[in-house]
Amino acid sequence: GAGVSQSPSNKVTEKGKDVELRCDPISGHTALYWYRQSLGQGLEFLIYFQGNSAPDKSGLPSDRFSAERTGGSVSTLTIQRTQQEDSAVYLCASSLTSGRVGDTQYFGPGTRLTVL
Amino acid sequence: AQTVTQSQPEMSVQEAETVTLSCTYDTSENNYYLFWYKQPPSRQMILVIRQEAYKQQNATENRFSVNFQKAAKSFSLKISDSQLGDTAMYFCAVVSNSGYALNFGKGTSLLVTP
Repeated sequence: GAGVSQSPSNKVTEKGKDVELRCDPISGHTALYWYRQSLGQGLEFLIYFQGNSAPDKSGLPSDRFSAERTGGSVSTLTIQRTQQEDSAVYLCASSLTSGRVGDTQYFGPGTRLTVL
Repeated sequence: AQTVTQSQPEMSVQEAETVTLSCTYDTSENNYYLFWYKQPPSRQMILVIRQEAYKQQNATENRFSVNFQKAAKSFSLKISDSQLGDTAMYFCAVVSNSGYALNFGKGTSLLVTP
């Protein structure tokens, strides 16, 4: 079946603009994760959704970052008033159930965000 | 908190040879899961191998195998009969059963040469 898809593949924006990044998980996967990959910080966890439970937003770096997951499927990560330090690859992953049982997380191809 | 250390930023191996990538981790948990992911230039993170910490038997997946030393908190990846398509960044990651987010190492860039 289809894997995790993300759009856009690349996004260039100007400092101060808002951006939306989309993730479409594998069908039937209840858990969805966002990570950020940057040269300086490596791979960082941002946010976790599990079914209809309240998301774990503990990894979001600032209140400019938010995410939602509609209908337990597609997720959107929004970055408001983008800054140059937000430039990174944003990776989405999904797993069948919770990561607590070590379910494999399957990753999408990522969105490369460049803030000028 | 869990930390993962990959001490080899870059490695090179000739085609058909064997290479071992190192990974050590630190966790206070007793039950956890370990992963190796591969990230080629396409950016897609691909699962290479998965190990459950409570299983003593080392996981294998075709040409890929691990040497899991729980007491030493070491989880190295061995790639046998290296192929050009193995050229990629390799990330070691750990997740405990009290959490869900993968904690990644900084990665090892592997180059397979003809």
